[in-house]
This record gives sequence, C-alpha cells and structure tokens, in this order.
Amino acid sequence: DADVTQTPRNRITKTGKRIMLECSQTKGHDRMYWYRQDPGLGLRLIYYSFDVKDINKGEISDGYSVSRQAQAKFSLSLESAIPNQTALYFCATSASMASGRAINTGELFFGEGSRLTVL
Amino acid sequence: QKEVEQNSGPLSVPEGAIASLNCTYSDRVSQSFFWYRQYSGKSPELIMSIYSNGDKEDGRFTAQLNKASQYVSLLIRDSQPSDSATYLCAVSRTGGFKTIFGAGTRLFVKA
Repeated sequence: DADVTQTPRNRITKTGKRIMLECSQTKGHDRMYWYRQDPGLGLRLIYYSFDVKDINKGEISDGYSVSRQAQAKFSLSLESAIPNQTALYFCATSASMASGRAINTGELFFGEGSRLTVL
Repeated sequence: QKEVEQNSGPLSVPEGAIASLNCTYSDRVSQSFFWYRQYSGKSPELIMSIYSNGDKEDGRFTAQLNKASQYVSLLIRDSQPSDSATYLCAVSRTGGFKTIFGAGTRLFVKA
C-alpha cells in the first residue's frame, strides 16, 4: 500500500461544481503539501501545512482551499471548479523531526496523483 | 526569470553513456537541492539530495552543487533505458520551506 494515498485518482467534473481531493499518509510526517502539475510548468505549490494548526498559501492558492483534519489528513477543495483548474494534483509530505531530532531536510514524498478534468 | 530553470529537452543518450542534466536557480539563500525522477503518468520520486558544495555520489547518480554559480547538476553514469523519465530539479530554503521545482528535463536512453 502507498504511504501517501490520494482519492480520487481520476475525476471529471463540470464548471461550477465543488470538488474535494483527499490525501492521507502513514509516514508519520508532520508537513503536508498540495501541488499541481501542468505540462511545461512543472510542479507549483498550492497550499502547505507544517502541523494541524498551521495552514499557508503557496504560489497559486486562488480558487483553492484546504483543510488539515488530522496530522495524517490534508484535503484540497475547489469551491467552484473552472476549466483552467484541469491538471494533475499531487499531495506530498515531509518530516521536520526524526528520532526526536530536527532534520528539516525538505525531502518530499508524493502521493500517486489525482487527475482532475473540468469541462 | 524563472526561479528554477532546466533545459526541457528532450535529452537523448545511448545506453551506457553518461547523461548530464543541469539546473540553475535564482534564490541565493537556497540551502537544499533535490533531484526527482518522474516516469510518465507517475508521481515524482526523490533520487538525490545535496546540501553543500561539491559532489555527492549514490550508485550511478552523482549530484553536483556550486552555490557561487547557483548551479546544480545530475550525472547518470552507464545510462539504462529504464532511466528514461523526466528529471525535476527542486530547490528550497532551510527547513524545506516552499520547495520550488523546475519544469523538468525529459531524458531518453536509447537501447
């Protein structure tokens, strides 16, 4: 089983619909991220969370919201989907601590991706 | 100017050759540097991380960092067809704060 699980893996929806993408992890990491990937643009950060009470906007947060329901769960919502939100979305995790020590390596572990198509 | 720049490729090399992938970044306070491999339709997978100037070797992979030139590279020795993928360069400040990715370089290794 994947350490970082995203649902749904594929979704087709219509303009104006509300969509939620969910991410759960079993890695025990405290930090979680949502990225979107578009051809030629690479991965762009939407939101990130360093713990349950910490939510931060990334470079392209407009039109998106997030919820950190627990350390292991981080969901991304599109309140009213539009066609230019068609993309591949990735959840990622990283650890700031290991064996009681701060590590802050910044190494990211990605989920399998959620492909969203907005018609 | 993009924060992290990579040649989009494709870079084509014959099997057994050395593949050289390059990346430049603009944020001088960056402290952490990464190379991720992404197969078509799959998620990125970390293959190398480097934090100080010089070379870091791991099997067939060598990462090279030159902070003065704001330049990171990845060498793949004895390239195999299974190395064919997109390679993403990523950069972040201390603590993994807001990792920024390049658009990636597509590598083809011809058998």
